[in-house]
Amino acid sequence: AQSVTQLGSHVSVSEGALVLLRCNYSSSVPPYLFWYVQYPNQGLQLLLKYTSAATLVKGINGFEAEFKKSETSFHLTKPSAHMRDAAEYFCAVSVAAGNKLTFGGGTRVLVKP
Amino acid sequence: DSGVTQTPKHLITATGQRVTLRCSPRSGDLSVYWYQQSLDQGLQFLIQYYNGEERAKGNILERFSAQQFPDLHSELNLSSLELGDSALYFCASSPGQGAYEQYFGPGTRLTVT
Repeated sequence: AQSVTQLGSHVSVSEGALVLLRCNYSSSVPPYLFWYVQYPNQGLQLLLKYTSAATLVKGINGFEAEFKKSETSFHLTKPSAHMRDAAEYFCAVSVAAGNKLTFGGGTRVLVKP
Repeated sequence: DSGVTQTPKHLITATGQRVTLRCSPRSGDLSVYWYQQSLDQGLQFLIQYYNGEERAKGNILERFSAQQFPDLHSELNLSSLELGDSALYFCASSPGQGAYEQYFGPGTRLTVT
């Protein structure tokens, strides 16, 4: 069975500062990893995905994530936070194409002006 | 806009009642997934359908059932509702074969009073 742990349920950053959201996974097979963002009162939007190609993955809105097998991690970063980045972010893992997603608990990001 | 539609957006009902949530996947997507998002359980996979057939089951209660119709839309039926069933219910779709990412609808917020 697979699982995802997101360290920190809330993160506060200043506008223009680095955003770093941590995700660690557990999987008995090579994982496929995703980051989704949820804005208030909306559904989940795919930010980026790792599916065994390049370990550094670039996504939308300036976000990127790096897959580190040795650390079983898939942390999400953005060099400079913007007010519009305030949202909840979810890391998810799947073990095969077409399989269910297993989500972490989410990290709510607050951006201070 | 992900292309996945869900109706209704909000639903308020009483304990013991039955409701039906509807989902239309993105054009061409064969797989439909249902997830429940609640404060205490987070995002949990309920059930998956692929081209009309049940593909996988997660933490879905026996009081809940789902189906996918020939036109590929799906319905999630929740019966004998309890206060604890209050949650956001998301539908997601993916092409199915060889596809990893899922595209989420805006969700249906169910409130059981």
